[in-house]
This record gives sequence, structure tokens and C-alpha cells, in this order.
Amino acid sequence: AQSVTQLGSHVSVSEGALVLLRCNYSSSVPPYLFWYVQYPNQGLQLLLKYTTGATLVKGINGFEAEFKKSETSFHLTKPSAHMSDAAEYFCAVTLAGGSYIPTFGRGTSLIVHP
Amino acid sequence: ETGVTQTPRHLVMGMTNKKSLKCEQHLGHNAMYWYKQSAKKPLELMFVYSLEERVENNSVPSRFSPECPNSSHLFLHLHTLQPEDSALYLCASSQDLSTGNYGYTFGSGTRLTVV
Repeated sequence: AQSVTQLGSHVSVSEGALVLLRCNYSSSVPPYLFWYVQYPNQGLQLLLKYTTGATLVKGINGFEAEFKKSETSFHLTKPSAHMSDAAEYFCAVTLAGGSYIPTFGRGTSLIVHP
Repeated sequence: ETGVTQTPRHLVMGMTNKKSLKCEQHLGHNAMYWYKQSAKKPLELMFVYSLEERVENNSVPSRFSPECPNSSHLFLHLHTLQPEDSALYLCASSQDLSTGNYGYTFGSGTRLTVV
């Protein structure tokens, strides 16, 4: 079985500041990891994913995440926040060669102040 | 149109009404999913279809009835709903079940309010 914990239901940053959204996972086999973004009144959009290979993955809109097996983490970062980044962010995990259904975290709301 | 399209975007219905939510994907995907998103709760998987066959049903009340007439269309038929069923209902698709490991494409959702 797998699980995902997103630390902090809300994260508030100033425009131009570093964005760091935390995600820790638990799985008994190698995971596949995802970050999705949800803008108000929209569905979820895939930001980036880690399956195999390079542990630092880059996604859309300047976001990136690093898979750290030793820390069981997959934190999402962006060097400089924009007002348009304000949204809900979801971390998700599936298992390599296992369950094809992702387990989603509860989400983190990113608030960007001018 | 491209991607996953859900209609209607908003729906208000009484507890005795019958209505249907529609999802259409133009991606050539073979797997489709219904999720329920309630405030302050994790995403809840409701139903999974692969090649028009239901492969998973996560203990969803019978007042929700899915239908997948072909690999491009997915419906969620609603009847005798309760106020706690008010939520955002999201449809998603993936190339097939195994490539669900590579991410889903979601629709914009239907915001359902039961009065």
C-alpha cells in the first residue's frame, strides 16, 4: 500500500519568493510520483512526474521537484513565485509495477501576496 | 475540441431529481475515471472503466450509477441524492490502465449542488 502526506494545507509566499511545497510518501516498492495543480473552478493538471531516471524533474510553469529516496520525499519548488501560481497543489503516488490507481495527498493551497 | 470535456459545468438539483453528468475525451484513451472532490477531503475515486468495462467500484452508493457506452464517453447518472453529495465531480482519462502510472488528464469538473 502507498500513502502521501503533504505538509501544510496552506503555504503563503510573496511574489518573487521561493516556493516550496512538501510531499512525503510511503510505499513498499519503487514509487511513481506526481504533482498536479488545480486552479479555481478547474480540474487537475499534471505539473510534472517522476518515474525512473533523473531524480530532478522539471515541469511546466517553471516548477521542478526532486525525488529523494532516503528521505521518501518529492518536494515541489519554484525559484520565484508569480501571482498566477496561486492554486491548489496535489502530490500523488502510484507503485512501479503495482497499483495503477494513484493515491492523492490532501492538497496544499498556495497563496501568493503582491 | 481536445482533452477531457465535462458537462454541465454547474448543476443544482433537488433530492428527488434525476440528472446525468457527461464526460467526453478526445485523446484516444482507453481508461476513464470518476472522482469526487469535496471541500477539506482527499480526492475520492468512485469508478474506473477500461475499454468500456467497469474494473473498480469503490463502495459508492447506488444512487450514483456510471455508464460507459464507448471508450470516449463516460456518464454518471444521479438519482435521489443527499445534500452531502454536493461536490465537484471530476472525470479523468489515461491511455490505458497501466499508463495511469504516467499521469491522468482531468476535465474541468461539474460543480454539483444538491438542495
